[in-house]
Amino acid sequence: AQKVTQAQTEISVVEKEDVTLDCVYETRDTTYYLFWYKQPPSGELVFLIRRNSFDEQNEISGRYSWNFQKSTSSFNFTITASQVVDSAVYFCALSGYPGGSQGNLIFGKGTKLSVKP
Amino acid sequence: DSGVTQTPKHLITATGQRVTLRCSPRSGDLSVYWYQQSLDQGLQFLIQYYNGEERAKGNILERFSAQQFPDLHSELNLSSLELGDSALYFCASSVGRHGDYGYTFGSGTRLTVV
Repeated sequence: AQKVTQAQTEISVVEKEDVTLDCVYETRDTTYYLFWYKQPPSGELVFLIRRNSFDEQNEISGRYSWNFQKSTSSFNFTITASQVVDSAVYFCALSGYPGGSQGNLIFGKGTKLSVKP
Repeated sequence: DSGVTQTPKHLITATGQRVTLRCSPRSGDLSVYWYQQSLDQGLQFLIQYYNGEERAKGNILERFSAQQFPDLHSELNLSSLELGDSALYFCASSVGRHGDYGYTFGSGTRLTVV
């Protein structure tokens, strides 16, 4: 069965601290996609990144970086120099590859990040 | 604007009633997915349609049904509503059967059952 685990339910940091959100996934598929979404207090789901299982290179986008390690089935997300605007719930998600078992997203329970000034 | 339109944004209704949530996918997308986000269950996949046909089913109750019309918009029908059905319902769309080109989410419909 496919599953995404975000063990951290809530994290609280002070502005400018670095913070890492953990994501561990399970899948029987050999190829798949991994995603991160942000849900601010307003409620919409904001897409952050999509990574296919072929590509294990880490990615950096501004203050955001992602570390994908297939060997440990983890896809962790780090925010450097956090800001109050980063306060949100962050979801990690998994979906199947074309031709694979499923096309829909399987979400983790989310990690609520609070960044205090 | 993500390109996926969900209406209405808010809905308040009484237990036992029936409601219809509507979703228009992003132009060019053939798949529509419905998700339910509740406090205790998180984001749960309900159902997927691809080009008018049901493609995959998740944790969708028998009281719930959906369809995708020839113009590709989709409707999620919720009947015999219970208090526990109060949730944020998201629609997402993708080009193909999978998220190989990503998923686009609407802003959601917040359903409150009183």
